[in-house]
Amino acid sequence: AQSVTQLGSHVSVSEGALVLLRCNYSSSVPPYLFWYVQYPNQGLQLLLKYTSAATLVKGINGFEAEFKKSETSFHLTKPSAHMSDAAEYFCAVSESNFGNEKLTFGTGTRLTIIP
Amino acid sequence: DGGITQSPKYLFRKEGQNVTLSCEQNLNHDAMYWYRQDPGQGLRLIYYSQIVNDFQKGDIAEGYSVSREKKESFPLTVTSAQKNPTAFYLCASSIMGQGNTGELFFGEGSRLTVL
Repeated sequence: AQSVTQLGSHVSVSEGALVLLRCNYSSSVPPYLFWYVQYPNQGLQLLLKYTSAATLVKGINGFEAEFKKSETSFHLTKPSAHMSDAAEYFCAVSESNFGNEKLTFGTGTRLTIIP
Repeated sequence: DGGITQSPKYLFRKEGQNVTLSCEQNLNHDAMYWYRQDPGQGLRLIYYSQIVNDFQKGDIAEGYSVSREKKESFPLTVTSAQKNPTAFYLCASSIMGQGNTGELFFGEGSRLTVL
């Protein structure tokens, strides 16, 4: 069975500092991995996804994530935080399963940006 | 523009009343989903449907009902049997079959408050 663990339910960084949000996954088969962002009272938007191509994935708004199979991790980073990055971030995994994939979400990390 | 429309965005109801949340998509996706979101608990799957006139229970289906009479529509009814219905409800859709990675497309959400 697949699962996702997001370390840190709340992360605070200063504006201009590095953003690092951690995600570890468990999967019995090669996974597909996703990061979604949610702004207050809105739905989730896809930031980026890993689907077994390049292990370093670039997404929108300057975010990127690296798939590390040996560490079963898919951490999200951004070199320089901006005030507009304040939101909740969800890591998610699905297992490659002949077209019947379903997502499992982590519990989310709320990112606060300190001016 | 293609997307998912949820309505209403905010809804207040008295205890004991049934409530129906609307979800419509024009992405021509086969699969549709309902999630419930509570603070600190991430997203929990209520029901999903992969084809018209068929749907399956998710992890927390008790007290909820759905229908899928049209490909585009997947309404959710929160019944009086749901013990704690106040929450943020998210509808999503995805493709099925070859090319499906599990990626979900979300609506803007509906916030239900039971007084």
